[in-house]
Amino acid sequence: EIVMTQSPATLSVSPGERATLSCRASQSVSGNLAWYQQKPGQAPRLLIYGASTRATGVPARFSGSGSGTEFTLTISSLQSEDFAIYYCQQYDNWPPFTFGQGTTLEIK
Amino acid sequence: EVQLLESGGGLLQPGGSLRLSCAASGFTLTNYAMHWVRQAPGKGLEWVSLIHSRSGTTIYADSVKGRFTVSRDISKNTLYLQMDSLRAEDTAIYYCARKAGSTGSSSRWFDPWGQGTRVTVSS
Repeated sequence: EIVMTQSPATLSVSPGERATLSCRASQSVSGNLAWYQQKPGQAPRLLIYGASTRATGVPARFSGSGSGTEFTLTISSLQSEDFAIYYCQQYDNWPPFTFGQGTTLEIK
Repeated sequence: EVQLLESGGGLLQPGGSLRLSCAASGFTLTNYAMHWVRQAPGKGLEWVSLIHSRSGTTIYADSVKGRFTVSRDISKNTLYLQMDSLRAEDTAIYYCARKAGSTGSSSRWFDPWGQGTRVTVSS
């Protein structure tokens, strides 16, 4: 089973600033990585797939990078609606499909 | 518009059974693999099961294997999760999610997701 590890667990950032979230896989997942955003009381929403491709309707301030075992989600200028929990997921080697434990992005 | 609508959650005692439903619209279940994913209170996301689009072959996480059964009714375009021998640790919000790409596609990320249905197992 591929273990996904996200860091940090909680990130405190001021609106307008840049946020950088990390995700590490226990073995290579190539570029088969997705990022999801989850707000309180809501279902997860796809943000990024293929490590770097934004899903339909996702603002350009969201960007993904990385391959193999190291991945990054960057939000260039945080808006109030961006404060949420973010999960990475690998879909390269399954079952099981595995998620990171999440990074909570909170307002500083 | 593609939509997924879960139902069937509730409160039940350990050892009990429950069947969740996920009504799909805007696409056909025979063209897309479907997943169940759960989220325990205050915790992260855990993949539970997969049903393949054409064959209906099912795959389960070790944590639910032998206790949960995923099925579908093509005529109703509805996915089901039969949960038996429920345990306290099965308490979670259960989401259905679609494989992003249709049959044969390598687009294996999950999109969209339903809004979830809550299952609580407690004595």
